[in-house]
Amino acid sequence: QKEVEQNSGPLSVPEGAIASLNCTYSDRVSQSFFWYRQYSGKSPELIMSIYSNGDKEDGRFTAQLNKASQYVSLLIRDTQPSDSATYLCAGPKAGNNRKLIWGLGTSLAVNP
Amino acid sequence: DVKVTQSSRYLVKRTGEKVFLECVQDMDHENMFWYRQDPGLGLRLIYFSYDVKMKEKGDIPEGYSVSREKKERFSLILESASTNQTSMYLCASSFQQGIVQPQHFGDGTRLSIL
Repeated sequence: QKEVEQNSGPLSVPEGAIASLNCTYSDRVSQSFFWYRQYSGKSPELIMSIYSNGDKEDGRFTAQLNKASQYVSLLIRDTQPSDSATYLCAGPKAGNNRKLIWGLGTSLAVNP
Repeated sequence: DVKVTQSSRYLVKRTGEKVFLECVQDMDHENMFWYRQDPGLGLRLIYFSYDVKMKEKGDIPEGYSVSREKKERFSLILESASTNQTSMYLCASSFQQGIVQPQHFGDGTRLSIL
């Protein structure tokens, strides 16, 4: 099992819909996570951090962490074409809180 | 706002050349990282540094070295560039606290080795 796994997509949603992006992780990853957005040809940009079990909301974004099931998700409400990007999740390697383990990313396309 | 600055956005070099990529951060971060990103392979850690003159190998250090003489600057060196080192190179930095902190990225350097 990969340490952090994401469905590569593409996930395609109509404008205004909710997009749900998921990430599962192994025991080799500690249970704090970051979601990054990466536009084509650009660098990753932090959009959400989540450190504890449950939900965390920030504007149109909600991150959900379920430690028992070892998954973390990102919901994007009222999606816009500008949300079209690749979304990366990352968590620290267990026992080492300096380095992050990265998923390969999920490509999201929001169709006008 | 955190600012991580990479010296070049695009760079073209020839095989066998020694290549220097520079990265500077302005937030007094302890940790600095060099990644490369290739289609289908995601972000792969080359080296990271947790203090001045301190470094650790990442997942793919072969063919690379690094230097951190000052806290704000972290350099990646391709000792003898090869075509398989053509890639997007990303520098990142983060605070070191008890709980893991997010990494902040520069704009990236797209390096082509001919």
